[in-house]
Amino acid sequence: AQSVTQLGSHVSVSEGALVLLRCNYSSSVPPYLFWYVQYPNQGLQLLLKYFSGDTLVQGIKGFEAEFKRSQSSFNLRKPSVHWSDAAEYFCAVSDKGGKLIFGQGTELSVKP
Amino acid sequence: ETGVTQTPRHLVMGMTNKKSLKCEQHLGHNAMYWYKQSAKKPLELMFVYNFKEQTENNSVPSRFSPECPNSSHLFLHLHTLQPEDSALYLCASSQDWASGSGSSYNEQFFGPGTRLTVL
Repeated sequence: AQSVTQLGSHVSVSEGALVLLRCNYSSSVPPYLFWYVQYPNQGLQLLLKYFSGDTLVQGIKGFEAEFKRSQSSFNLRKPSVHWSDAAEYFCAVSDKGGKLIFGQGTELSVKP
Repeated sequence: ETGVTQTPRHLVMGMTNKKSLKCEQHLGHNAMYWYKQSAKKPLELMFVYNFKEQTENNSVPSRFSPECPNSSHLFLHLHTLQPEDSALYLCASSQDWASGSGSSYNEQFFGPGTRLTVL
């Protein structure tokens, strides 16, 4: 069975600072990994995904994530966070069957 | 309209009411999904329809009844709900529900959700 654990339900950083959101996964097969963002009163939007190949994945809005098989991690980061990045972020894992398993979410707050 | 739309955006209902949530996708996709998002809990997959056939029912109580009349529309019929059913209900769609080897994963696109409150 697959599972996802996001470390830290809430992260607060200053605008312009680096932000790192942590995600660990468990999967018995090579995983497909995703990061979604959810702004208030909106649905989920895909930031980036990893299927295979280069382990450093570039996404939208300046986000990137690194897949580390040895650590079962897929951490999301942005070098310089903007106030508009305040939202909830979800890590998800899937097998080839297409079923998404989500983590509990990490709420990102951005301080001026 | 483009993307995935959901109506209504907000719904308040009593435990004896019957209501329906509607989802419509304008992306030409063949698979549609219902998710439940409760406070402080991970998103839970409820139902999956692939080419109008239900392919997944994630142990959802029978007071939730899905309907998929065509590949563009998905409904969630609600009756005799409980207060703990209050949540954000999200609809998603994708090209198809990848099943078996050789199928590539198809990205899911989400609607804005319906905020349901059961009194």
